[in-house]
Parts: sequence; structure tokens; C-alpha cells
Amino acid sequence: DIQMTQSPSSLSASVGDRVTITCRASQSISSYLNWYQQKPGKAPKLLIYAASSLQSGVPSRFSGSGSGTDFTLTISSLQPEDFATYYCQQSYSTPSFGPGTKVDIK
Amino acid sequence: EVQLVQSGAEVKKPGESLRISCKGSGYSFTSYWISWVRQMPGKGLEWMGRIDPSDSYTNYSPSFQGHVTISADKSISTAYLQWSSLKASDTAMYYCARRDPTLQFDYWGQGTLVTVSS
Repeated sequence: DIQMTQSPSSLSASVGDRVTITCRASQSISSYLNWYQQKPGKAPKLLIYAASSLQSGVPSRFSGSGSGTDFTLTISSLQPEDFATYYCQQSYSTPSFGPGTKVDIK
Repeated sequence: EVQLVQSGAEVKKPGESLRISCKGSGYSFTSYWISWVRQMPGKGLEWMGRIDPSDSYTNYSPSFQGHVTISADKSISTAYLQWSSLKASDTAMYYCARRDPTLQFDYWGQGTLVTVSS
């Protein structure tokens, strides 16, 4: 099975900050990496697929990069509605998720 | 509009059986796999397994194999997750999700909270 790790596990940031979250796979997954946002009490929402493709309707302040084993999700200017938990997920083989990164207000 | 609508919250006792559902609408139900994802209280997301509604072929995570059963009735565009004997450790939120052909989970149900307590 492919194990996914994320760092940091949590971060505090202010509105307008640039935020970067890192995801690492235990083996190469090419670009089969997706990012989701989850707010409390809500279902996850797809943000980025195939490492860098923006899902329809998702603001352009979200971007993804990487390939192989190392990936990043960047929020260029954090907005109040972006405070949430973010998960990476590999779709190279049997799906698996990272442990999540909680973004809260500084 | 694509929607996945899940059945309501359940409260069960250990040893009881349960089946929860996920009804798809707004798309061709047999064209997309449906996965089930568990989220235990305060924890992350765990992929449980998936079904291809066109032929009911299933795959399970080793962590869930033998403990749950995934099925589908394509005539009513509904997928199911069932347990024959619940444990307290099955207490969690369960989500169904549609897998896009490019392999991401693009639509999710609203979740079904299952509480197992004596």
C-alpha cells in the first residue's frame, strides 16, 4: 500500500497570507495526486486533481504542483472561507489519503 | 446537477446489522464507480472500498475486507454499505463519493453518521 504523509499537521495563518502544504508519497505516484478541503461537519470538496489541475469552480488562489513523491498545495492569499482541513489523496493505486493539515486563524 | 444523497443517521447496538445507502442523480449512475470513505470522530479519511455499478464488481481495502459489504442496485441508482455485526469501533461518519474517470473523487454525499453503542 502507498502511504501518504502531510506537513505540517496544522498551521495558523492570517487572512492574506500565502500558505503551502506539503504531501509526500511512500513511492512514486507520477501525478496521481488530488487535494480536498473539508470544513467541520461537511463532506470533503475536491480542489485539485492530477497534481495541478484546478477543479471547476475552485478559486484560482488554490494551486498544486509536484510529481513523483513530493507535492504541494498553495493558497496564494488566504481568505476567511479557507480555514479548513486539507487532505491529499493518491489515485495511483488503491486510494489512500494523507492525515490532513488543519489551517486555522492566527 | 450531480448529487449523491445518503440515508440518515443511525443509532445501533453492537452486534446489530445495518445497511446505509447513497443515491446518485444527475448523471449516468453506471458510468462512474462509487467509493465509501470512513471518517472516525476527529480523525482523517479512510478509503473502504468501491463498486462499479455497471457490473457490481467490488474492491475493498484490506482494512475493511470481510467486515463490510458494498453493493449497488443500478435500477434505482443506489449504492449500499452494509454490516452484518456492528462494533462500537464502527462509530463514524461514512461518505460515498463518485470517482471521475480521471481518478479523483469529484462528488461526495453529505455523509451518514453511524453510532454504535450499547
